[in-house]
Amino acid sequence: GQNIDQPTEMTATEGAIVQINCTYQTSGFNGLFWYQQHAGEAPTFLSYNVLDGLEEKGRFSSFLSRSKGYSYLLLKELQMKDSASYLCAVRDNYGQNFVFGPGTRLSVLP
Amino acid sequence: DTAVSQTPKYLVTQMGNDKSIKCEQNLGHDTMYWYKQDSKKFLKIMFSYNNKELIINETVPNRFSPKSPDKAHLNLHINSLELGDSAVYFCASSQGRLSRSYNEQFFGPGTRLTVL
Repeated sequence: GQNIDQPTEMTATEGAIVQINCTYQTSGFNGLFWYQQHAGEAPTFLSYNVLDGLEEKGRFSSFLSRSKGYSYLLLKELQMKDSASYLCAVRDNYGQNFVFGPGTRLSVLP
Repeated sequence: DTAVSQTPKYLVTQMGNDKSIKCEQNLGHDTMYWYKQDSKKFLKIMFSYNNKELIINETVPNRFSPKSPDKAHLNLHINSLELGDSAVYFCASSQGRLSRSYNEQFFGPGTRLTVL
């Protein structure tokens, strides 16, 4: 089976840095994805990691440690528009199963 | 020039009815998906469809059936609707199979289904 865990909610201040963690236990692993979902809208792709290390993309970075079953999404210079849910998703070895975590709802305060 | 579109946006119906949700993508992608997002916001994959290869999540009841008239369309038919089917259903598409190394999925706006 597959189990993915994320904090339910986080709060941060505009301009700050926030780290959203994701831990996973899966029967196989072939990539970890981060998606952003604003309330009432569709998820949009943020980042992808398949090898250990950090992937940077503007204000957003994602880190993966396969041995620890752990990833985080780092958001820098937070803006009000970053208030959203952040979903971690894992793809299994055969690429036929794609499992989303419960999501972390981030609130950015002025 | 919407990339992935779904109709209807809202669907309210009675228990026991049969309904369909339509999905179209104009990205030229060859794989399409259906997801269900329940009230707790869990997003679960239901189906992926690539070149007539259908991969079904084994937890999906057989009352749900995807139908693809062509590569750009993947419709979702639901028979004998139940209260527990109430959720937001998202269609998505990607270039390449789900197993491809880099698989960015583009989601449609969602269809909010309410079963009374």
